[in-house]
This record gives sequence, structure tokens and C-alpha cells, in this order.
Amino acid sequence: SVLTQPPSLSGAPGQRVTISCTGSSSNIGTFDVHWYQQVAGAAPKLLIYGNNNRPSGVPDRFSGSKSGTSASLAITGLQADDEADYYCQSYDRSLSGSGVFGGGTKVTVL
Amino acid sequence: QVQLVQSGAEVKKAGASVKVSCKASGYTFLSYDIKWVRQATGQGLEWMGWMNPNSGKTVYAQNFQGRLALTRNLSTNTAYMELSRLKSDDTAVYYCARKDGFWSADPWGQGTLVTVSS
Repeated sequence: SVLTQPPSLSGAPGQRVTISCTGSSSNIGTFDVHWYQQVAGAAPKLLIYGNNNRPSGVPDRFSGSKSGTSASLAITGLQADDEADYYCQSYDRSLSGSGVFGGGTKVTVL
Repeated sequence: QVQLVQSGAEVKKAGASVKVSCKASGYTFLSYDIKWVRQATGQGLEWMGWMNPNSGKTVYAQNFQGRLALTRNLSTNTAYMELSRLKSDDTAVYYCARKDGFWSADPWGQGTLVTVSS
């Protein structure tokens, strides 16, 4: 994948986990980053848009940030139903403005 | 509410084409681009392309150039994704999604499973 994420992370209930998303000057360095949550068997759902904005209905336990050519998604107060795959997404000017995804991070709640 | 509803599962032979529909409701269809993304079983999300329903302009990912066609029917507020010359590794769930003001994807359709057999 053009954007690099750790394949998996885990944490106990109540803990904090942070998912990184590393890109380059042609993607994250230029465009906003968005994050999606995908629970097993369901379509992805928008979690964070424009680097650090939450759609209505998304708990404030989820937060996003971006710095230079990297971004991150933090989940605080981890809960059982946070167990899902998380994907970062941006665009890439070297690919004629096509969208690009990270490979996804599986978050397991212990 | 804003909703995208996709057509049902398809089974195709290698070399054939498949056309998946995505019917929009709850908003002005002309005002937002429609993106297409696919996901092979157990794999991550793969960007395919997008279409502006107002102009018909399309942008395709390099991996799909020459095989992918995104179209729309303005009278039924429906977007279409047609993939030709299917191969076994095109077996995947195909999603449509609305591209919002921040260029993120929200909401998503429920997905359409396309199975390609040899």
C-alpha cells in the first residue's frame, strides 16, 4: 500500500491505542487524511475526516492528527466494540490525484 | 437520510464483464462525486476511481485503466461501475461511496460481492 499502517495492535479495555499512517510529500504531505472503521462483515464507516474532524455520532474517544507526511488515529478508553479494522486514506498527486489507502490495522481488544 | 443501495451479488466467468449499480437517495445526486472501492476477501481496501455525476467526468486508478467504466443515469440517481475482462483476482466486494466536501467517503453502500470463476 502507498500508505503504511501497522498490521495489528491490541489493548485492554480502557487503554489507549494509537494507529500510525505514514506516507510521503505527494500524498499526506499535500492532502488531508481520513480514517475509516470496518467491523467484520460490514462496509467501512467514516470515523475521522479532514485529519481531525469527527462526523456526528462518532464518540470523542476517537481523535485524529496529522504532521508532515504522517497521521495518526488515537482511541482512548478502548471498548469491546472498537474491535475492528481501521484504514487511513488520502490522495496522491503522483497518481493523478487518485485516492490511496493504508493497508489497514486490526485492533484487538484483549 | 443519505443512502446508497447497491445491486446484488454476481457470479461471472473469467473474461466476461460485470456491471454494479449504486442508487443514491436522500440528497442531490448531482452535487457529490461517487467513488468506487473494492476489497478482496481478507484483504484491504483498494481505490478504483470516481465520477462526477454532473459532468460525467471520471478519474480511474492506474491499475484499472482500460478495464473500468464509471457511468450514471440522472433520471434514476444511479451510478454504475462496469469492469471488463474479468480475472479470478477481481473476485471481491465492490463498494460505492459518496465523496463529501472534505473528499472523504461518506456514506458507503452495503457492498456487492462479485465472484469470478474460471
